[in-house]
Amino acid sequence: SAVISQKPSRDICQRGTSLTIQCQVDSQVTMMFWYRQQPGQSLTLIATANQGSEATYESGFVIDKFPISRPNLTFSTLTVSNMSPEDSSIYLCSVVFGNTIYFGEGSWLTVV
Amino acid sequence: AQTVTQSQPEMSVQEAETVTLSCTYDTSESDYYLFWYKQPPSRQMILVIRQEAYKQQNATENRFSVNFQKAAKSFSLKISDSQLGDAAMYFCAYRSAVGLDGGSQGNLIFGKGTKLSVKP
Repeated sequence: SAVISQKPSRDICQRGTSLTIQCQVDSQVTMMFWYRQQPGQSLTLIATANQGSEATYESGFVIDKFPISRPNLTFSTLTVSNMSPEDSSIYLCSVVFGNTIYFGEGSWLTVV
Repeated sequence: AQTVTQSQPEMSVQEAETVTLSCTYDTSESDYYLFWYKQPPSRQMILVIRQEAYKQQNATENRFSVNFQKAAKSFSLKISDSQLGDAAMYFCAYRSAVGLDGGSQGNLIFGKGTKLSVKP
């Protein structure tokens, strides 16, 4: 299995600011995914981040709002830019490892 | 596009009893993976069980087992001898087997979840 460390685990943010979430994996992985889980909802894919290429964003998500970095095979960051209360969600990174997908602990952001 | 449907928003089970959570999916692909994830209040997504579509045998992990009906596109989760620690949101998820080593495919498509309560 893969162990994923995600930071921060929780934060309260002022509207208009930006926050970067870090995701560190204990193994080298090709594919990393970023999901958003709004309160009481299921998970929605934001983007796929493969090392060495630009992230691929899903419909409704744009790079200016959610810039992603993937500098190597064990690390990725997701930035939530110019936050509004609607961005209050849990953000989760996940990786493909051995045909299974594993998740980080999630970053619970509240925008006030 | 693939879809996953969980028709039970909430379920309840008595401790030590058995409960079955339903999941159906829609796909035109023949090769894929199906998962059940558990999300307790801590919000951590925990893999419960995985099923490869090409395998006819139903997956089992201790008290958790699935009933995989490929023709019916059904993938239910049975929890036996329910424990208080089983109380959580349970998500059914689909993953295409195409693009295993790259590309944007390979992400999970989730159902809306079933909230399971366990009564002592």
